[in-house]
Amino acid sequence: DTGVSQNPRHKITKRGQNVTFRCDPISEHNRLYWYRQTLGQGPEFLTYFQNEAQLEKSRLLSDRFSAERPKGSFSTLEIQRTEQGDSAMYLCASSLQATSKFFGPGTRLTVL
Amino acid sequence: GENVEQHPSTLSVQEGDSAVIKCTYSDSASNYFPWYKQELGKRPQLIIDIRSNVGEKKDQRIAVTLNKTAKHFSLHITETQPEDSAVYFCAASTRDYGGSQGNLIFGKGTKLSVKP
Repeated sequence: DTGVSQNPRHKITKRGQNVTFRCDPISEHNRLYWYRQTLGQGPEFLTYFQNEAQLEKSRLLSDRFSAERPKGSFSTLEIQRTEQGDSAMYLCASSLQATSKFFGPGTRLTVL
Repeated sequence: GENVEQHPSTLSVQEGDSAVIKCTYSDSASNYFPWYKQELGKRPQLIIDIRSNVGEKKDQRIAVTLNKTAKHFSLHITETQPEDSAVYFCAASTRDYGGSQGNLIFGKGTKLSVKP
């Protein structure tokens, strides 16, 4: 499969726990994006990398959220001290420089 | 910042009819406008996109038109089929083609139902 992949696909956690998600972009894509989608809404931009550099962060990305892309390939998104409001689908997308973005299947987070 | 409005929120058509979804954007610097189709429980899939240097683009039964002056763009689906049923999202991006600083702003989506 040469598309964007995300793991895990589903995550259930208790409030206050930390969670980490992984995204593997399409191999030649140098841009990687994280979005969050709640039911009935469009994806909301969280942050974006070009290679290993994190170039933009949305104000939606509170200090409990951190994202890394250490070698310019896969990326991780960590949420610390999860809250029920963090429950959502977390989508990763990738693109080659300024071309179209392709999304992964998402990680559905449920915070109990 | 950019704001994208999408209408209608739901659309029901008979199989074979046409469907039109409209979006407006606020930032005149936006220059890239993709449309995504999302089936229930699946990832958004890019179906067509248009850049600000063209006014219309067509791909088989799907077409997108862009009016830069009015800052609106539309998705047209002709000869609709039941498998076209899904949620459709429009989006806008500024500066770079396809990404700007990575910030695609999405509309809230249109749930299209095509009745056999």
